[in-house]
Amino acid sequence: AQSVAQPEDQVNVAEGNPLTVKCTYSVSGNPYLFWYVQYPNRGLQFLLKYITGDNLVKGSYGFEAEFNKSQTSFHLKKPSALVSDSALYFCAVRDGTGFQKLVFGTGTRLLVSP
Amino acid sequence: DAGITQSPRYKITETGRQVTLMCHQTWSHSYMFWYRQDLGHGLRLIYYSAAADITDKGEVPDGYVVSRSKTENFPLTLESATRSQTSVYFCASSEALGLGVLHFGNGTRLTVT
Repeated sequence: AQSVAQPEDQVNVAEGNPLTVKCTYSVSGNPYLFWYVQYPNRGLQFLLKYITGDNLVKGSYGFEAEFNKSQTSFHLKKPSALVSDSALYFCAVRDGTGFQKLVFGTGTRLLVSP
Repeated sequence: DAGITQSPRYKITETGRQVTLMCHQTWSHSYMFWYRQDLGHGLRLIYYSAAADITDKGEVPDGYVVSRSKTENFPLTLESATRSQTSVYFCASSEALGLGVLHFGNGTRLTVT
């Protein structure tokens, strides 16, 4: 079964510093990987996805993610964090049945301090 | 406005009562989903639908019923609510070829007392 793991419940970073939110995955076949963000009292919003192609994927709000097949990782990154980036981040993998179902990780809370 | 709307935003109900959470989307997306969000579990899929009149179970379907008579609506019913169903429920939709890009509603916070 497809799964993702987010090993950190929370990541703290100072504004202006680079940030990384970690995700590792386990899939059979080719991985379809995603990052979503959730702001308080809101639903999740799509940030970026990796389907195929370049290992570095660029997404919304200046975020990017690096796909590493040998390490089965898909870490979310941003060169310079903003206080407004503080939110809950979810990594997800497409279910292997071929439908649109996603399997989500448990989420990582990002706190960016001024 | 186009989008996906859930109602109600907040609901308190008693154990054993039936409750229905509503979801409406204006994009005519083929796929619709119901997830529940719980601390420590992330989001777990309850039911999904690939088109009108086509529904299937997700990871945690027990105690829930769905229907999809129209493409735009996907209600979720708790037949006899239990305290373990206290959660935040999210509806989402996606295009048939959306490749995993889901559009989420703002959620319904359900408390079962």
